[in-house]
Amino acid sequence: DVKVTQSSRYLVKRTGEKVFLECVQDMDHENMFWYRQDPGLGLRLIYFSYDVKMKEKGDIPEGYSVSREKKERFSLILESASTNQTSMYLCAIQGFHEQYFGPGTRLTVT
Amino acid sequence: GENVEQHPSTLSVQEGDSAVIKCTYSDSASNYFPWYKQELGKRPQLIIDIRSNVGEKKDQRIAVTLNKTAKHFSLHITETQPEDSAVYFCAATLYSGGGADGLTFGKGTHLIIQP
Repeated sequence: DVKVTQSSRYLVKRTGEKVFLECVQDMDHENMFWYRQDPGLGLRLIYFSYDVKMKEKGDIPEGYSVSREKKERFSLILESASTNQTSMYLCAIQGFHEQYFGPGTRLTVT
Repeated sequence: GENVEQHPSTLSVQEGDSAVIKCTYSDSASNYFPWYKQELGKRPQLIIDIRSNVGEKKDQRIAVTLNKTAKHFSLHITETQPEDSAVYFCAATLYSGGGADGLTFGKGTHLIIQP
């Protein structure tokens, strides 16, 4: 069974804080992704990574950065959290074709 | 970049009837079209997918059709059951041997099965 875990299910942070969201996979897959999900907007791609230390911008990278120091771990960083970054954040890994999603982190920025 | 439109945003059908959700995409290079189902409070899960070299694919009560010329694809669910109630997302991407650049999703369809 594919296992994708995220460090927190719920997170509350204050405006201006630096926020780290962690994603860990146990399947030795190269490709990993970060999406955010908002009601009525679907899922939108923030960043993705093909391999260690590699990163590519997705459709909405502004205000975010990522880090991939080890193959199994892909981190999403909010440099200075803002209220419009309140959202559900989903990590995913690429299987043969299918993307497997983690359980999500619901982030609230107050 | 790719843009995916999905309709309707909400679909209510009687149990046992069929449901159809439609999506259009903009990038003719896209070659992989998955459908995800997301139940309340859970992660999205793949239910069916289709590649651009195939026109139709079936898996029990679920089928997907693809019209490359018109750049649209549809999800068909027959004999709907209460457990089909969920939000469904279509997506599109260019998938090459090295992987995909990430999925572009539609905005989702909330399917409600009325008893």
